[in-house]
Amino acid sequence: GIQVEQSPPDLILQEGANSTLRCNFSDSVNNLQWFHQNPWGQLINLFYIPSGTKQNGRLSATTVATERYSLLYISSSQTTDSGVYFCAVGGSQGNLIFGKGTKLSVKP
Amino acid sequence: EAGVVQSPRYKIIEKKQPVAFWCNPISGHNTLYWYLQNLGQGPELLIRYENEEAVDDSQLPKDRFSAERLKGVDSTLKIQPAELGDSAVYLCASSLLDNEQFFGPGTRLTVL
Repeated sequence: GIQVEQSPPDLILQEGANSTLRCNFSDSVNNLQWFHQNPWGQLINLFYIPSGTKQNGRLSATTVATERYSLLYISSSQTTDSGVYFCAVGGSQGNLIFGKGTKLSVKP
Repeated sequence: EAGVVQSPRYKIIEKKQPVAFWCNPISGHNTLYWYLQNLGQGPELLIRYENEEAVDDSQLPKDRFSAERLKGVDSTLKIQPAELGDSAVYLCASSLLDNEQFFGPGTRLTVL
């Protein structure tokens, strides 16, 4: 099956700093989503981005499907950005296959 | 637009007891998923429905787990009997066909 690798596994930032999270996947996919899991466990949709580039406020994402990777950019980080960021790709059965996540801690 | 609704949010039971989780997907979404999330891991699919039909239940432990989606809307996931290793978060998600998936808040199950 498809393998999804996220890096780095842990990231500590000072408030206001920028960061880049990476997601590599092992096969072509029809779906790629980025999520933020908040401390209460809710998975919040950030981007639905099988290819191309999207921006939403301080967050942006780029997926290069031909090279099998996606990047999530967080600019001017805030303490509320803390949590776990998951990349998930669409498997052949329509389900999402998740990476292990990047745990982000933003310090004030 | 209302999101995916799940209940209960938390459940504590003793091993060998039965337990059931309920999910109401986003209105109009024909595809419904149940995922299992263990601590420190990403969610993993248990079962996927298209309307009333379970189209992928290969990862569902059928000796103790069962699921149904009557009338192609709400769904129930049941465990009977529960084991200690079933302690986890059970997430429901929905989508329109195979497009973007949206997740509910999950049910955190603790088996004592």
